[in-house]
Amino acid sequence: EAQVTQNPRYLITVTGKKLTVTCSQNMNHEYMSWYRQDPGLGLRQIYYSMNVEVTDKGDVPEGYKVSRKEKRNFPLILESPSPNQTSLYFCASSFDPRRWGETQYFGPGTRLLVL
Amino acid sequence: QQQVKQSPQSLIVQKGGISIINCAYENTAFDYFPWYQQFPGKGPALLIAIRPDVSEKKEGRFTISFNKSAKQFSLHIMDSQPGDSATYFCAASGETSGSRLTFGEGTQLTVNP
Repeated sequence: EAQVTQNPRYLITVTGKKLTVTCSQNMNHEYMSWYRQDPGLGLRQIYYSMNVEVTDKGDVPEGYKVSRKEKRNFPLILESPSPNQTSLYFCASSFDPRRWGETQYFGPGTRLLVL
Repeated sequence: QQQVKQSPQSLIVQKGGISIINCAYENTAFDYFPWYQQFPGKGPALLIAIRPDVSEKKEGRFTISFNKSAKQFSLHIMDSQPGDSATYFCAASGETSGSRLTFGEGTQLTVNP
C-alpha cells in the first residue's frame, strides 16, 4: 500500500530533551516536506527537500533540523524542544511539485506535547 | 504574512444543505489551487483542485469556483452529508513560491443529521 508513515504518533517530552520524529514514504517520491498544524493558523511548512541531500527552509524553520540521506526517509529533529513547539506535525511527499497538479500525500500526523 | 486567507473558521450546516468555504490569495503568480480534506486523526488528503484559466470545476458534489480578477476561490459542497464533516484547507502554489503549497487557516465543517 502506498503511504507515508510517521513515528511516533504521540509524544510527550520535556523542554530541552532532544527528539526525532521519523517519516518514511514508499512511493519513490523526490519531494518531502514537514508541516505543523496549529488551530487558526492552518498548515505551515517547516522544511522541505527536493531530493536526497537537498533540503531547504520553509516558513517556520526555527528550532528544527532535517536531513535527507535516503530518498524514502525525512526525519524531523528537535534538538532542544520548547513548549511553543507543542503542535500536530505532518510529513508529506510527492513527485516533483514543479509539475502542475502534483498531489502531496500526507502522513497520519504526530501529536507532540512539550512540557 | 498569510498569503492565503480562508473563511469561515467553522461552519455548521444541516444535512442536505450547501456548504460554502471561501479563500482569498495575494500572489498573482499562484497557478494551482487545491482543496484538502482532513478527517479527525488523519492527515489531509487532496479533494479537488483548479487552475486559474477555468472559472469552475466540479467533481461529484464538490465544486470549486474561481474568480481570478478578485483573487478569490471557493469550495461548494452540495447536498452536504454528515460524512462530509471534516476540516477543509484551501491552498495555493506557483513557480515564484518554488511550487511550495501555502495553506489557508482551515475550516471545520460540521454537518448535522
